[in-house]
Amino acid sequence: DAKTTQPPSMDCAEGRAANLPCNHSTISGNEYVYWYRQIHSQGPQYIIHGLKNNETNEMASLIITEDRKSSTLILPHATLRDTAVYYCIVRVANTNAGKSTFGDGTTLTVKP
Amino acid sequence: NAGVMQNPRHLVRRRGQEARLRCSPMKGHSHVYWYRQLPEEGLKFMVYLQKENIIDESGMPKERFSAEFPKEGPSILRIQQVVRGDSAAYFCASTPGDEKLFFGSGTQLSVL
Repeated sequence: DAKTTQPPSMDCAEGRAANLPCNHSTISGNEYVYWYRQIHSQGPQYIIHGLKNNETNEMASLIITEDRKSSTLILPHATLRDTAVYYCIVRVANTNAGKSTFGDGTTLTVKP
Repeated sequence: NAGVMQNPRHLVRRRGQEARLRCSPMKGHSHVYWYRQLPEEGLKFMVYLQKENIIDESGMPKERFSAEFPKEGPSILRIQQVVRGDSAAYFCASTPGDEKLFFGSGTQLSVL
C-alpha cells in the first residue's frame, strides 16, 4: 500500500468548512483513497472513499486531484463533535482491507 | 443490526496473568481484524482472520499472543503472561468482504 502524509494537526472554527489534506504521491492506479476518523477513546469510523472521481456522502466530500497524488477531505460545516483524529489510507480495494497502515493522522480541533 | 461488539470494555490484569479479549463481528461479516493502539500512537495491525482461518498474522508478536475466530462464537485475542508493555487499547474491526471496516469500541487493557 502507498504511504500517505498528513499534517499532524489543524484547527477549524465551528460552522466553517474543514479541509484536511493528504499526500499520496506513490499511489498506484488500482489503489483507492479511504478516510476514517477516531474520536477520543472510540473505535475508528469510516467516512468516505474514492478512486479518482470526487465523492460526496452525508458526512463529507472527498476531492482527489487529477494526477491522484493528493486528496482533500472536506467537512462542509464542522461542529464540535467533529473534533477527532482523521486518517487517510490508500490501498487496493478488495484485498486485505484491514492491514492498511493508519499512520498518525491529522488531529482536527473544532473551536467554538 | 448491532455493530461490532467488543468485551470487556476495560480489563485489568496483573503481570503474568492471561488476558482474553472478545470480538463479535457485525451480522453477516466473516472477516475480522485486530489492532493495537498504544497511548498517543496510531493503530497497528495485528492479525486478520476469517471463520476458522488465520489469513495474516504478520503483525502479531511472535510469543504470548494468539487469535482465533471459531465457526461459532466471537473472535478471541489471547495474551498470555501479560507484561506492562501490553497495556493498550485493542480494537477489532469486521467487514463483509474486504471493503470498508466497521470498528468496535475497543478493549482497554491495563497491566499492573
